[in-house]
Amino acid sequence: DSGVTQTPKHLITATGQRVTLRCSPRSGDLSVYWYQQSLDQGLQFLIQYYNGEERAKGNILERFSAQQFPDLHSELNLSSLELGDSALYFCASSARRGQGNEQFFGPGTRLTVL
Amino acid sequence: GNSVTQMEGPVTLSEEAFLTINCTYTATGYPSLFWYVQYPGEGLQLLLKATKADDKGSNKGFEATYRKETTSFHLEKGSVQVSDSAVYFCALTGGSQGNLIFGKGTKLSVKP
Repeated sequence: DSGVTQTPKHLITATGQRVTLRCSPRSGDLSVYWYQQSLDQGLQFLIQYYNGEERAKGNILERFSAQQFPDLHSELNLSSLELGDSALYFCASSARRGQGNEQFFGPGTRLTVL
Repeated sequence: GNSVTQMEGPVTLSEEAFLTINCTYTATGYPSLFWYVQYPGEGLQLLLKATKADDKGSNKGFEATYRKETTSFHLEKGSVQVSDSAVYFCALTGGSQGNLIFGKGTKLSVKP
């Protein structure tokens, strides 16, 4: 158990809908990262927050957004869903930001868009 | 930009065989390098890491050495077990904030 929790574990929805994925980092970790894992694109970095502020952006679509709350949990919002958004979404946390810091991954949320 | 290339799988070995999974990278500056492992139905776990050239990361019998001259970070284990069956990802830090750039993953199956 990494100490990172993600809910829900599975999510099935329809095209055009909007969903919210939730992540609770390890106790005390200030940095939260979101990644998408799909068969065709592999594992891709989406976005990072540190202590409530956005710090880095990767291949995140404009339809997607995220935020980190004062209690440090984070939410990833996916809207106008398309079939191609079906993937595993992982959240990871680390104590600090920067190179060399170990990231602890949650179990992921499997999103299926029908 | 930074990128990682790792050998494609799947790799199938017999128990106690020697394992090598090749990983090469392209990067500006001096990134940290990682191997993560993903067991079926689970999230990623850090297996080992190296933060500077010539560092050797090791854990659970796995080893990898940060080779700047060949831009490589190959994963090795002298004697694999059935329990090592998983997908292995090579990764490097893609930016100053520590976000990871992953290779496509190599699926390892170890047969008894």
